[in-house]
Amino acid sequence: EAGVAQSPRYKIIEKRQSVAFWCNPISGHATLYWYQQILGQGPKLLIQFQNNGVVDDSQLPKDRFSAERLKGVDSTLKIQPAKLEDSAVYLCASSLAGGVYEQYFGPGTRLTVT
Amino acid sequence: KNEVEQSPQNLTAQEGEFITINCSYSVGISALHWLQQHPGGGIVSLFMLSSGKKKHGRLIATINIQEKHSSLHITASHPRDSAVYICAVSTLTGNQFYFGTGTSLTVIP
Repeated sequence: EAGVAQSPRYKIIEKRQSVAFWCNPISGHATLYWYQQILGQGPKLLIQFQNNGVVDDSQLPKDRFSAERLKGVDSTLKIQPAKLEDSAVYLCASSLAGGVYEQYFGPGTRLTVT
Repeated sequence: KNEVEQSPQNLTAQEGEFITINCSYSVGISALHWLQQHPGGGIVSLFMLSSGKKKHGRLIATINIQEKHSSLHITASHPRDSAVYICAVSTLTGNQFYFGTGTSLTVIP
């Protein structure tokens, strides 16, 4: 079974630029999560999708971050414009159907904003 | 106050030692997850449990729902166990996740 795929693996941008991350969850998984993990901290949930609907985006900085999951499969997370404090690893995870199921994590995208 | 607290934050052990990592939470949960993250690596789910005890190889996870506490045990620790271990809980609705800050484990040969 293929795992959760993410790209790119690494990205370096200057502040005020924009960046987009892509995630392809495990086939058949209805729930998709985007997390931000700052060095030395645990992951912070940014947004959770159930199929193509948003379940929770309470911690997503909506003035600069946006995410979509068209057709309930792949998802993209965008930052525009980026700030220095956005430097982090962005993790995508998926589960069969919500938090009572095991989450499978992608390898993450390491973003450096200079 | 964090919804999920882990202890210790850092742990160094000699190879072969028995290791315990603790997790306490303050919210009602549908499940508790133990995750492993190697340096520069992705996150792997070790256990998901809502009651009792689970065992996988040298790893054992227990949970006490009444006390809102879980422990992860590693028997006969090995240098390859060196990683960050993260406790996370999913709330009763299953719609929110809270993560601990992780326990960084180093096992010395």
